[in-house]
Amino acid sequence: AQKITQTQPGMFVQEKEAVTLDCTYDTSDQSYGLFWYKQPSSGEMIFLIYQGSYDEQNATEGRYSLNFQKARKSANLVISASQLGDSAMYFCAMREGGVTGGGNKLTFGTGTQLKVEL
Amino acid sequence: DAMVIQNPRYQVTQFGKPVTLSCSQTLNHNVMYWYQQKSSQAPKLLFHYYDKDFNNEADTPDNFQSRRPNTSFCFLDIRSPGLGDAAMYLCATSRPGTLNTEAFFGQGTRLTVV
Repeated sequence: AQKITQTQPGMFVQEKEAVTLDCTYDTSDQSYGLFWYKQPSSGEMIFLIYQGSYDEQNATEGRYSLNFQKARKSANLVISASQLGDSAMYFCAMREGGVTGGGNKLTFGTGTQLKVEL
Repeated sequence: DAMVIQNPRYQVTQFGKPVTLSCSQTLNHNVMYWYQQKSSQAPKLLFHYYDKDFNNEADTPDNFQSRRPNTSFCFLDIRSPGLGDAAMYLCATSRPGTLNTEAFFGQGTRLTVV
């Protein structure tokens, strides 16, 4: 079973509009962390935002916010006021609890390609 | 001010010819990871180091090996590259131990096998 599911292979949004990128996850751990990364065409993965499983408030970082619905196991990324530079691949990822030796793994979804249009 | 540096950015190798990809970091992080990312797919973890302790993923082919001579450097060796090994290879680092620790990625090495 997929641990991280991103059902939108591609999304379009107009500049200055908001867009929501979907992410659902599967884990039996009580402790886990959810991340969103941006990958421009240059290839580097850029960290955007983090949400912990015990965090009561939704995470926000500038124009990025995370709509965390724990019971539904979803962690959707909301980008407000889209800019042309937001065009990129976006990945949802998860770290699960049960860490041994600190080498906890980051598991990624298949990503959503976002295109911002004028 | 790159913190995780991968060399080269682009690598072309011949089918069956051993190739080495390198990664260095200035963050002094204990954990280093190698991911393989094929086109339109999720990055797939190949293995990771916690200091010198090597952790191989169960489904990583034997064709892939790694070395970490010191904290700063990590190498990915592909002993006999096949056409199916063409991919982007991403190196990442992180501090150990906590769930909220993000991973820092290099720009990747795009490997072509001819």
